[in-house]
Amino acid sequence: GENVEQHPSTLSVQEGDSAVIKCTYSDSASNYFPWYKQELGKRPQLIIDIRSNVGEKKDQRIAVTLNKTAKHFSLHITETQPEDSAVYFCAAPLAGNQFYFGTGTSLTVIP
Amino acid sequence: DVKVTQSSRYLVKRTGEKVFLECVQDMDHENMFWYRQDPGLGLRLIYFSYDVKMKEKGDIPEGYSVSREKKERFSLILESASTNQTSMYLCASSFPPEGLSPMNTEAFFGQGTRLTVV
Repeated sequence: GENVEQHPSTLSVQEGDSAVIKCTYSDSASNYFPWYKQELGKRPQLIIDIRSNVGEKKDQRIAVTLNKTAKHFSLHITETQPEDSAVYFCAAPLAGNQFYFGTGTSLTVIP
Repeated sequence: DVKVTQSSRYLVKRTGEKVFLECVQDMDHENMFWYRQDPGLGLRLIYFSYDVKMKEKGDIPEGYSVSREKKERFSLILESASTNQTSMYLCASSFPPEGLSPMNTEAFFGQGTRLTVV
């Protein structure tokens, strides 16, 4: 939705390269920022999340960084592999218990 | 493993029909959500519920209603289906840790229902 902007909408990288997807949000009170991965024909699944009391979180080849001042957070995938090809969604809770997702990034890892 | 199950994978309905989409979760989750997914628009929240018989409107509730009579079941109702409601519908559930907002925790999704209104 318009309260969470996600870029780019499509991303192609060579296998082994890094991929970065960025989201910006509008509500400065937001304090939880998850990333979901949706493989073709499958349901979205949480891959990593971060809360506002930390600036970075890593889990093997994926990491999320948060800049609360600038109101943006990013997903970093290093040493990409073909199985990383999927649509990735960021999300952020907003005032009034609305939980908005970004519009998604279709990542293609080229072998 | 959390299991969120939607009653149908594919549905084809006629314009004007009343349509029921059912979602069941087996992990005693408090929160349940209905989203629709359209290309280029991401996941848009239609309605959510944080307790039995409780519901709140999401971003795009027009043309939809919901029912939560039992904790494990959350139904989405299209009162009079229209072609612009052709979409992928995703149900999700989550369990809010004590002290956290219903939105500040992982959501587990169903497999989706592809609805076509003709």
